[in-house]
Amino acid sequence: NAGVTQTPKFQVLKTGQSMTLQCAQDMNHNSMYWYRQDPGMGLRLIYYSASEGTTDKGEVPNGYNVSRLNKREFSLRLESAAPSQTSVYFCASSRRVIWTHENTGELFFGEGSRLTVL
Amino acid sequence: KNEVEQSPQNLTAQEGEFITINCSYSVGISALHWLQQHPGGGIVSLFMLSSGKKKHGRLIATINIQEKHSSLHITASHPRDSAVYICAVNFAKVNRDDKIIFGKGTRLHILP
Repeated sequence: NAGVTQTPKFQVLKTGQSMTLQCAQDMNHNSMYWYRQDPGMGLRLIYYSASEGTTDKGEVPNGYNVSRLNKREFSLRLESAAPSQTSVYFCASSRRVIWTHENTGELFFGEGSRLTVL
Repeated sequence: KNEVEQSPQNLTAQEGEFITINCSYSVGISALHWLQQHPGGGIVSLFMLSSGKKKHGRLIATINIQEKHSSLHITASHPRDSAVYICAVNFAKVNRDDKIIFGKGTRLHILP
């Protein structure tokens, strides 16, 4: 029962370097999300994907790109890392929430990826 | 603007005390989540609810749709309950419930 798996768990980058955070879920969920968590702030949505083939910007998309490769996988790419992108990144997934139905939209999170940009 | 406010930000209590954490939101929602984040970072879903009340062990979550308010209660608190508790909401948009907004969390510390 892997749930949501994200890699890597830790990464140190220099300013300007690029990298991709990988996320995969094995629960056949439609919706997937990338968040960043910074001290004193709530989780902030970077991008989300409501279904395979679709992606939408969240609150803080600048400096990031995403790809929903298939139903299982949703990757987050930093093309040119900046120190402001130092954060802990969480991937999450859920079945699509249909507002009249309970228990269809529980969130499942990966363990987080701690990224430091020097 | 869709907002989620939690109170208190920090809470320290003695083992055995009844704990209440509050969450208020600004506009109509389709669902509300309570999450737990332990030191070390993992985030676990405790409840998802859209009306009424849910109970799991010593944890109880309630929601009042009219007042746009939810509470998370912990009965007979224990040091292992020490964690950050996060409220998150799906703000209702027609057929698009995929954006979830998070509160900043309540840091709970239970003293033995």
